Amino acid sequence: NAGVTQTPKFQVLKTGQSMTLQCAQDMNHEYMSWYRQDPGMGLRLIHYSVGAGITDQGEVPNGYNVSRSTTEDFPLRLLSAAPSQTSVYFCASRSTGGIRFGFFGQGTRLTVV
Amino acid sequence: GDSVTQMEGPVTLSEEAFLTINCTYTATGYPSLFWYVQYPGEGLQLLLKATKADDKGSNKGFEATYRKETTSFHLEKGSVQVSDSAVYFCALSENTDKLIFGTGTRLQVFP
Repeated sequence: NAGVTQTPKFQVLKTGQSMTLQCAQDMNHEYMSWYRQDPGMGLRLIHYSVGAGITDQGEVPNGYNVSRSTTEDFPLRLLSAAPSQTSVYFCASRSTGGIRFGFFGQGTRLTVV
Repeated sequence: GDSVTQMEGPVTLSEEAFLTINCTYTATGYPSLFWYVQYPGEGLQLLLKATKADDKGSNKGFEATYRKETTSFHLEKGSVQVSDSAVYFCALSENTDKLIFGTGTRLQVFP
């Protein structure tokens, strides 16, 4: 099992550009979520999904879109990158019967200039 | 709303010293509590968890006890090693799909 895989690991964007952060898991987990990690603020929930075709907003959803067309994939889209979106992004997944929040990806470090 | 408060770091210790990282929480219900560790350049790893009052989570020599009366979940280790140097995050979940993190505490252990 690869677990939760995030790509890319590093990315630099110019203000106004768009991009997609990829997250995939091979554990057949129903629940997937995206967090951003900022110094002194811990991790904050951006969007989450309880299953294919279902998504919902977290604490800081503005500027981001998600979709969940398959159980395995949960991409995060930045529509028009802003310097305030410079952060480290983590994807997480869990199953209904497994360890809740036991699996996180390695993170994507995004810099918007 | 729910929140988690951790002691500010960095915590600097010598090898084999006793470690305590304080964590207190505010929740409306009966949350599950977690400690995560993030080693330099890596993602978050679940270190231990507790799902109800008086439960003790333990892993790799680390322990934390769910104290409902003091709304605390302090992380302890009897003898730290240099390899324990990392950032530690306390977190809670009201058994929903949301996980609320503290701000993290950096631990530095010197030989």
